[in-house]
Amino acid sequence: DGGITQSPKYLFRKEGQNVTLSCEQNLNHDAMYWYRQDPGQGLRLIYYSQIVNDFQKGDIAEGYSVSREKKESFPLTVTSAQKNPTAFYLCASSIVAAGGVNEQFFGPGTRLTVL
Amino acid sequence: AQSVAQPEDQVNVAEGNPLTVKCTYSVSGNPYLFWYVQYPNRGLQFLLKYITGDNLVKGSYGFEAEFNKSQTSFHLKKPSALVSDSALYFCAVRDIGGSQGNLIFGKGTKLSVKP
Repeated sequence: DGGITQSPKYLFRKEGQNVTLSCEQNLNHDAMYWYRQDPGQGLRLIYYSQIVNDFQKGDIAEGYSVSREKKESFPLTVTSAQKNPTAFYLCASSIVAAGGVNEQFFGPGTRLTVL
Repeated sequence: AQSVAQPEDQVNVAEGNPLTVKCTYSVSGNPYLFWYVQYPNRGLQFLLKYITGDNLVKGSYGFEAEFNKSQTSFHLKKPSALVSDSALYFCAVRDIGGSQGNLIFGKGTKLSVKP
């Protein structure tokens, strides 16, 4: 899982609550990503950020929010507006180089369950 | 629109036999292709990537992939499967429409290697 940490490993949320998932990397990567993984659906991109203080919506951003105040950190908040938040959440990072095509490095994931 | 397909939900192989996990892609322009592996309740691990050059790409853990432009395929292969290779495998293509580092993932293929 490289130099990317996610916490907590397991998270339980009651309906109507906001929760924040942590993602930290010490790889000095500029870009960071959040994915949601559901059985049989692969990975779907929620948000991504290529630089501090800037981020973009991915394919399924509704009901989620992020911040990128530091290069190392990219926390994801799952809001009460997300109607089906139970899933496995994966954070990733990569370098950004002009003309380069670089692989992403993934954290170990957080499994969120709504009670 | 770019896409990647993994036509098999599951592949079963006997230990010691060769394995192939299939991936086909659809892109406009040059394809940049990746393979990742995921063990249960873990993040994804990078195996290999194709950018340009040799059609046979060698990666981690004895895996290799063959790029075939005419068939738009990028199948993952290993000459002799191990029980420890049992995992979920994802093919991905670079999303040219998004930021430089964004990837589009297939839905995954579960590889089961029996002793």
